[in-house]
Amino acid sequence: AQSVTQLDSQVPVFEEAPVELRCNYSSSVSVYLFWYVQYPNQGLQLLLKYLSGSTLVKGINGFEAEFNKSQTSFHLRKPSVHISDTAEYFCAVSEDTGTASKLTFGTGTRLQVTL
Amino acid sequence: DADVTQTPRNRITKTGKRIMLECSQTKGHDRMYWYRQDPGLGLRLIYYSFDVKDINKGEISDGYSVSRQAQAKFSLSLESAIPNQTALYFCATSDPASGRAYEQYFGPGTRLTVT
Repeated sequence: AQSVTQLDSQVPVFEEAPVELRCNYSSSVSVYLFWYVQYPNQGLQLLLKYLSGSTLVKGINGFEAEFNKSQTSFHLRKPSVHISDTAEYFCAVSEDTGTASKLTFGTGTRLQVTL
Repeated sequence: DADVTQTPRNRITKTGKRIMLECSQTKGHDRMYWYRQDPGLGLRLIYYSFDVKDINKGEISDGYSVSRQAQAKFSLSLESAIPNQTALYFCATSDPASGRAYEQYFGPGTRLTVT
Protein backbone atom coordinates (compact mmCIF):
# COMPACT_ATOMS: atom_id res chain seq x y z
CA ALA A 1 0.00 0.00 0.00
CA GLN A 2 1.12 3.53 -0.67
CA SER A 3 1.51 6.26 1.93
CA VAL A 4 2.58 9.89 2.08
CA THR A 5 4.29 11.76 4.89
CA GLN A 6 4.38 15.52 5.22
CA LEU A 7 6.48 16.11 8.29
CA ASP A 8 5.78 19.83 8.65
CA SER A 9 2.22 20.68 9.62
CA GLN A 10 2.93 24.41 9.51
CA VAL A 11 5.64 26.48 7.85
CA PRO A 12 5.85 30.18 8.67
CA VAL A 13 7.94 32.28 6.28
CA PHE A 14 8.49 35.93 5.49
CA GLU A 15 7.49 37.33 2.14
CA GLU A 16 10.20 37.10 -0.53
CA ALA A 17 12.02 34.35 1.40
CA PRO A 18 12.53 30.89 -0.13
CA VAL A 19 10.49 27.95 1.09
CA GLU A 20 10.64 24.17 0.91
CA LEU A 21 7.72 21.92 1.85
CA ARG A 22 8.77 18.35 2.43
CA CYS A 23 7.05 15.21 1.19
CA ASN A 24 8.15 11.60 1.46
CA TYR A 25 6.24 8.65 0.09
CA SER A 26 6.20 4.90 0.39
CA SER A 27 5.17 2.50 -2.35
CA SER A 28 6.17 -0.90 -3.65
CA VAL A 29 5.60 0.06 -7.29
CA SER A 30 6.23 3.03 -9.55
CA VAL A 31 4.25 6.10 -8.64
CA TYR A 32 2.88 9.35 -9.90
CA LEU A 33 3.36 12.28 -7.52
CA PHE A 34 1.35 15.45 -7.09
CA TRP A 35 1.17 18.65 -5.13
CA TYR A 36 -2.22 20.26 -4.61
CA VAL A 37 -2.90 23.67 -3.10
CA GLN A 38 -5.97 24.66 -1.12
CA TYR A 39 -6.56 28.38 -0.66
CA PRO A 40 -8.79 29.44 2.23
CA ASN A 41 -12.41 28.33 1.75
CA GLN A 42 -11.71 26.75 -1.61
CA GLY A 43 -11.30 23.29 -3.08
CA LEU A 44 -8.03 21.70 -4.13
CA GLN A 45 -6.15 22.85 -7.21
CA LEU A 46 -3.39 20.89 -8.90
CA LEU A 47 -0.07 22.71 -8.49
CA LEU A 48 2.22 20.31 -10.31
CA LYS A 49 2.76 16.63 -11.06
CA TYR A 50 5.54 14.15 -11.72
CA LEU A 51 4.72 11.31 -14.09
CA SER A 52 8.04 10.36 -15.68
CA GLY A 53 11.08 11.91 -17.33
CA SER A 54 12.82 14.93 -15.84
CA THR A 55 12.92 14.76 -12.08
CA LEU A 56 12.50 18.53 -11.76
CA VAL A 57 8.96 19.60 -12.49
CA LYS A 58 7.61 23.10 -12.66
CA GLY A 59 4.12 24.11 -11.72
CA ILE A 60 1.93 27.13 -11.49
CA ASN A 61 2.72 30.27 -9.50
CA GLY A 62 6.50 29.74 -9.62
CA PHE A 63 6.54 26.48 -7.66
CA GLU A 64 8.72 23.53 -8.56
CA ALA A 65 9.36 20.09 -7.11
CA GLU A 66 12.08 17.52 -7.45
CA PHE A 67 11.46 13.79 -7.54
CA ASN A 68 14.18 11.83 -5.76
CA LYS A 69 13.63 8.11 -6.16
CA SER A 70 16.47 7.00 -3.89
CA GLN A 71 15.16 9.14 -1.05
CA THR A 72 11.50 8.57 -1.97
CA SER A 73 10.91 12.31 -1.73
CA PHE A 74 9.07 14.95 -3.71
CA HIS A 75 9.80 18.26 -1.99
CA LEU A 76 8.10 21.44 -3.13
CA ARG A 77 10.09 24.66 -3.45
CA LYS A 78 9.67 28.29 -4.31
CA PRO A 79 12.60 30.73 -4.39
CA SER A 80 10.58 33.76 -3.27
CA VAL A 81 7.12 33.52 -1.73
CA HIS A 82 4.34 36.04 -1.82
CA ILE A 83 1.57 36.78 0.65
CA SER A 84 -0.87 35.20 -1.81
CA ASP A 85 0.92 31.84 -1.44
CA THR A 86 -0.60 31.48 2.03
CA ALA A 87 -2.55 28.24 1.75
CA GLU A 88 -2.51 24.57 2.68
CA TYR A 89 -0.42 22.31 0.47
CA PHE A 90 -1.04 18.60 0.03
CA CYS A 91 1.32 16.04 -1.41
CA ALA A 92 -0.36 13.02 -3.02
CA VAL A 93 0.70 9.76 -4.65
CA SER A 94 -0.98 7.47 -7.14
CA GLU A 95 0.43 4.07 -7.97
CA ASP A 96 1.30 3.43 -11.60
CA THR A 97 -0.80 0.35 -12.27
CA GLY A 98 -1.97 1.27 -15.75
CA THR A 99 -5.45 2.25 -14.74
CA ALA A 100 -4.49 3.85 -11.47
CA SER A 101 -6.44 6.87 -10.38
CA LYS A 102 -6.75 6.54 -6.63
CA LEU A 103 -4.86 9.23 -4.77
CA THR A 104 -3.40 8.93 -1.30
CA PHE A 105 -2.89 12.30 0.35
CA GLY A 106 -0.50 13.50 3.00
CA THR A 107 -1.81 15.34 6.04
CA GLY A 108 -1.03 18.76 4.57
CA THR A 109 1.35 21.63 5.31
CA ARG A 110 -0.02 25.04 6.10
CA LEU A 111 2.20 27.73 4.58
CA GLN A 112 1.82 31.07 6.34
CA VAL A 113 3.51 33.98 4.59
CA THR A 114 3.90 37.23 6.53
CA LEU A 115 5.38 40.64 5.84
CA ASP B 1 -19.66 28.04 -14.36
CA ALA B 2 -17.74 25.59 -12.20
CA ASP B 3 -17.05 22.17 -13.72
CA VAL B 4 -17.60 20.30 -10.44
CA THR B 5 -20.33 21.59 -8.14
CA GLN B 6 -21.39 20.48 -4.70
CA THR B 7 -24.61 21.14 -2.84
CA PRO B 8 -25.12 22.25 -0.20
CA ARG B 9 -21.97 24.24 0.54
CA ASN B 10 -22.69 24.32 4.24
CA ARG B 11 -24.98 22.17 6.34
CA ILE B 12 -25.69 21.83 10.03
CA THR B 13 -27.65 18.77 11.10
CA LYS B 14 -28.45 16.87 14.25
CA THR B 15 -27.24 13.49 15.39
CA GLY B 16 -29.31 10.68 13.93
CA LYS B 17 -30.56 12.60 10.90
CA ARG B 18 -30.16 11.32 7.36
CA ILE B 19 -28.36 13.70 5.07
CA MET B 20 -27.36 13.67 1.41
CA LEU B 21 -24.54 15.60 -0.18
CA GLU B 22 -24.71 16.00 -3.92
CA CYS B 23 -22.05 16.36 -6.56
CA SER B 24 -22.54 17.24 -10.21
CA GLN B 25 -19.99 17.61 -12.98
CA THR B 26 -20.04 18.97 -16.51
CA LYS B 27 -16.60 17.66 -17.42
CA GLY B 28 -17.88 14.42 -18.92
CA HIS B 29 -15.55 12.38 -16.72
CA ASP B 30 -16.36 8.76 -15.93
CA ARG B 31 -14.67 8.57 -12.56
CA MET B 32 -15.93 10.30 -9.45
CA TYR B 33 -14.76 10.31 -5.84
CA TRP B 34 -15.84 11.40 -2.39
CA TYR B 35 -13.28 12.50 0.21
CA ARG B 36 -13.49 13.93 3.67
CA GLN B 37 -10.98 16.39 5.06
CA ASP B 38 -10.24 16.68 8.75
CA PRO B 39 -7.67 19.03 10.31
CA GLY B 40 -4.33 17.28 10.62
CA LEU B 41 -5.52 14.21 8.71
CA GLY B 42 -5.54 15.45 5.13
CA LEU B 43 -8.04 13.98 2.68
CA ARG B 44 -9.28 10.43 3.02
CA LEU B 45 -11.19 8.52 0.36
CA ILE B 46 -14.74 7.48 1.28
CA TYR B 47 -16.07 5.99 -1.97
CA TYR B 48 -15.20 6.07 -5.62
CA SER B 49 -16.97 5.18 -8.83
CA PHE B 50 -15.32 4.29 -12.13
CA ASP B 51 -18.61 4.42 -14.00
CA VAL B 52 -22.33 4.33 -13.30
CA LYS B 53 -22.31 0.59 -12.55
CA ASP B 54 -19.02 0.44 -10.67
CA ILE B 55 -18.90 1.71 -7.08
CA ASN B 56 -16.12 0.91 -4.65
CA LYS B 57 -15.40 1.51 -0.99
CA GLY B 58 -12.51 3.71 0.00
CA GLU B 59 -10.55 3.63 3.22
CA ILE B 60 -13.28 5.11 5.46
CA SER B 61 -16.65 4.00 4.04
CA ASP B 62 -18.30 2.93 7.31
CA GLY B 63 -21.34 5.10 8.06
CA TYR B 64 -21.62 6.33 4.47
CA SER B 65 -23.34 5.20 1.30
CA VAL B 66 -23.29 6.53 -2.24
CA SER B 67 -25.40 6.59 -5.36
CA ARG B 68 -24.22 7.21 -8.92
CA GLN B 69 -27.44 8.35 -10.54
CA ALA B 70 -25.83 9.24 -13.86
CA GLN B 71 -22.38 9.86 -15.28
CA ALA B 72 -22.63 13.44 -14.08
CA LYS B 73 -24.03 12.87 -10.58
CA PHE B 74 -22.59 11.18 -7.52
CA SER B 75 -24.32 11.53 -4.13
CA LEU B 76 -23.00 10.77 -0.67
CA SER B 77 -25.42 9.85 2.12
CA LEU B 78 -25.03 9.68 5.84
CA GLU B 79 -27.82 7.36 6.96
CA SER B 80 -27.64 8.39 10.62
CA ALA B 81 -25.27 11.29 11.15
CA ILE B 82 -22.95 11.33 14.16
CA PRO B 83 -20.77 14.17 15.48
CA ASN B 84 -17.48 12.63 14.33
CA GLN B 85 -18.73 12.93 10.76
CA THR B 86 -18.32 16.68 11.11
CA ALA B 87 -15.83 17.50 8.36
CA LEU B 88 -15.26 19.13 5.00
CA TYR B 89 -16.38 16.86 2.17
CA PHE B 90 -14.98 17.03 -1.33
CA CYS B 91 -16.13 15.51 -4.57
CA ALA B 92 -13.63 14.95 -7.38
CA THR B 93 -13.61 13.62 -10.93
CA SER B 94 -11.04 12.17 -13.30
CA ASP B 95 -11.00 11.12 -16.94
CA PRO B 96 -9.29 7.84 -17.89
CA ALA B 97 -10.13 8.45 -21.57
CA SER B 98 -7.66 11.33 -21.55
CA GLY B 99 -4.85 9.01 -20.44
CA ARG B 100 -4.62 11.01 -17.24
CA ALA B 101 -6.91 9.08 -14.93
CA TYR B 102 -4.68 10.10 -12.03
CA GLU B 103 -5.43 13.85 -12.48
CA GLN B 104 -8.37 14.69 -10.29
CA TYR B 105 -10.52 17.82 -10.37
CA PHE B 106 -12.12 18.90 -7.13
CA GLY B 107 -15.35 20.62 -6.24
CA PRO B 108 -15.47 23.51 -3.77
CA GLY B 109 -16.41 21.33 -0.82
CA THR B 110 -19.33 20.94 1.59
CA ARG B 111 -18.81 21.85 5.21
CA LEU B 112 -20.93 19.52 7.32
CA THR B 113 -21.50 20.00 11.04
CA VAL B 114 -23.28 17.32 13.06
CA THR B 115 -24.46 18.53 16.49
